[in-house]
Amino acid sequence: KAGVTQTPRYLIKTRGQQVTLSCSPISGHRSVSWYQQTPGQGLQFLFEYFSETQRNKGNFPGRFSGRQFSNSRSEMNVSTLELGDSALYLCASSLVQGGQDTQYFGPGTRLTVL
Amino acid sequence: AQSVTQLGSHVSVSEGALVLLRCNYSSSVPPYLFWYVQYPNQGLQLLLKYTSAATLVKGINGFEAEFKKSETSFHLTKPSAHMSDAAEYFCAVRSNTGNQFYFGTGTSLTVIP
Repeated sequence: KAGVTQTPRYLIKTRGQQVTLSCSPISGHRSVSWYQQTPGQGLQFLFEYFSETQRNKGNFPGRFSGRQFSNSRSEMNVSTLELGDSALYLCASSLVQGGQDTQYFGPGTRLTVL
Repeated sequence: AQSVTQLGSHVSVSEGALVLLRCNYSSSVPPYLFWYVQYPNQGLQLLLKYTSAATLVKGINGFEAEFKKSETSFHLTKPSAHMSDAAEYFCAVRSNTGNQFYFGTGTSLTVIP
């Protein structure tokens, strides 16, 4: 099976712009989670989508939003970019079956805000 | 609330030496625990997971971890370090009430030739 894919891999934006990142989960996986990774804060949970519904949400401002489509693909959007939004954004998918779910990660999108 | 703590943000070992990366968890119920590895400019790759089937869990690349309830620990070990093991390692716990994962702050492993 193909792994989790994320596009684009690298992105450069300026302050005030908005950005949309895309994640395609492993085939058959219905849950998609998003994380922000920075050197200072480590891995921080943004949100999780399951069957097109946001099921969990981390402690991020409303500028960070996401959605999931019927084919389980997910997008996250960041509006009014700030310098501090520069980070590696990771997407993870899981099957959500019983209690032994494992998250499988994509390679990430490296966002640089200038 | 569940959480994991990784002791030591940086660990250095000589090639061929034992690797020991520490992780302690906080959970009121039996947890689901994971170790992931991240190489530069890549995503996280699953090394191994504990799901209560066996306390000693073997993973990929010769790594293993032992679940010790009495010590609330899930330390990662490898008998003999290889240069290719140099990476960032993350311990994680999965919520019992959903699919949310909580990650430790990571341990950067350096292997000295």
